[in-house]
Amino acid sequence: GEDVEQSLFLSVREGDSSVINCTYTDSSSTYLYWYKQEPGAGLQLLTYIFSNMDMKQDQRLTVLLNKKDKHLSLRIADTQTGDSAIYFCAERTHAGNMLTFGGGTRLMVKP
Amino acid sequence: EAGVTQSPTHLIKTRGQQATLRCSPISGHTSVYWYQQALGLGLQFLLWYDEGEERNRGNFPPRFSGRQFPNYSSELNVNALELEDSALYLCASSLASDYGYTFGSGTRLTVV
Repeated sequence: GEDVEQSLFLSVREGDSSVINCTYTDSSSTYLYWYKQEPGAGLQLLTYIFSNMDMKQDQRLTVLLNKKDKHLSLRIADTQTGDSAIYFCAERTHAGNMLTFGGGTRLMVKP
Repeated sequence: EAGVTQSPTHLIKTRGQQATLRCSPISGHTSVYWYQQALGLGLQFLLWYDEGEERNRGNFPPRFSGRQFPNYSSELNVNALELEDSALYLCASSLASDYGYTFGSGTRLTVV
């Protein structure tokens, strides 16, 4: 079955790095995604990683994938107050074209 | 390029009424997905349409239905509204590719 889990809350100071973690259960996942949702808005695709990759870097964002442990993380370097939002991880499997989302991690960045 | 557009942005209905939510995908995208984001419950998959056909539906009662038109826009209909249907309804579109979805800003439905 498909189940994606995230911690609920993360608080960091401006300028620090943030690491948001996610675990999933479906080993047939093909792609894994990170989305950002700001208050009152829809979801913005931040980055994605194919399941045969270990790491992907995109400017301040680094995604790490541990397939053995089914663990995905998003690292945000030099976190800014504008990064405060809810971050969702999601997986896509061979079972269909739908994405299954985690419950979201609320990131709070303190000045 | 215009993104995914949803209308209306806000909708207030009375319990028992019907609600119709609309979504226009990105030009060229043939798949449309509907998700419900209720307070504190994350995103729950509702429906997936592709090329005018319903391809899959989530664990929701039949009073949640929809359709996709020849221009790939989509409607979500919710009949016999209940208070717990109050939520943000998000529409997303994609090509039949692997690059994730592009979401609209959502329709906030309030049932009173």
